[in-house]
Amino acid sequence: EPEVTQTPSHQVTQMGQEVILRCVPISNHLYFYWYRQILGQKVEFLVSFYNNEISEKSEIFDDQFSVERPDGSNFTLKIRSTKLEDSAMYFCASTDGWAGPNYGYTFGSGTRLTVV
Amino acid sequence: GQQVMQIPQYQHVQEGEDFTTYCNSSTTLSNIQWYKQRPGGHPVFLIQLVKSGEVKKQKRLTFQFGEAKKNSSLHITATQTTDVGTYFCAGIRATGSYQLTFGKGTKLSVIP
Repeated sequence: EPEVTQTPSHQVTQMGQEVILRCVPISNHLYFYWYRQILGQKVEFLVSFYNNEISEKSEIFDDQFSVERPDGSNFTLKIRSTKLEDSAMYFCASTDGWAGPNYGYTFGSGTRLTVV
Repeated sequence: GQQVMQIPQYQHVQEGEDFTTYCNSSTTLSNIQWYKQRPGGHPVFLIQLVKSGEVKKQKRLTFQFGEAKKNSSLHITATQTTDVGTYFCAGIRATGSYQLTFGKGTKLSVIP
């Protein structure tokens, strides 16, 4: 079964450093998302991406965050200057190309980001 | 903004007992999705409900979407230890945003 692949699985970074989280969505999917989950809490929407541009973003997705699709397969989330409160599990997700956002999301296994 | 409330937060059941989690949205939804997250895992899509009053079944799992498309429930009959995990509902608003908003989840523990 097709998977969404995320790397790295764990990332520890110093406060103020930049991090890039990487994702390879399912190949025929066209809608991509980043969500985060602080330990034990709910899954929170960060951003959606379609047709090489951001479709929607939440209040969490401020100027410190950016997303990019640098080639035909990767989808990245960059945090420019990490804060302690950015510590969370970050999930990438994608949805079926033709059905778009109104369809079940396939989530990756996540990157656990720890800011120290 | 849109809020999705889910109760209960935790549920401990004896193996073989039934389990239900309830989801309520502050706004009318175009659809609602259910996900399961095993401990240490990622959300896995279970099902999507689209029509008002829709009921869908997957083996021992029964999903319902309310008539007003603002509430939903997941019922598991005769729980098994493999049902352990957190069950999230997530909805997309009927108008405007396509953002999928998750509830806080119900963490199910099954005592063998």
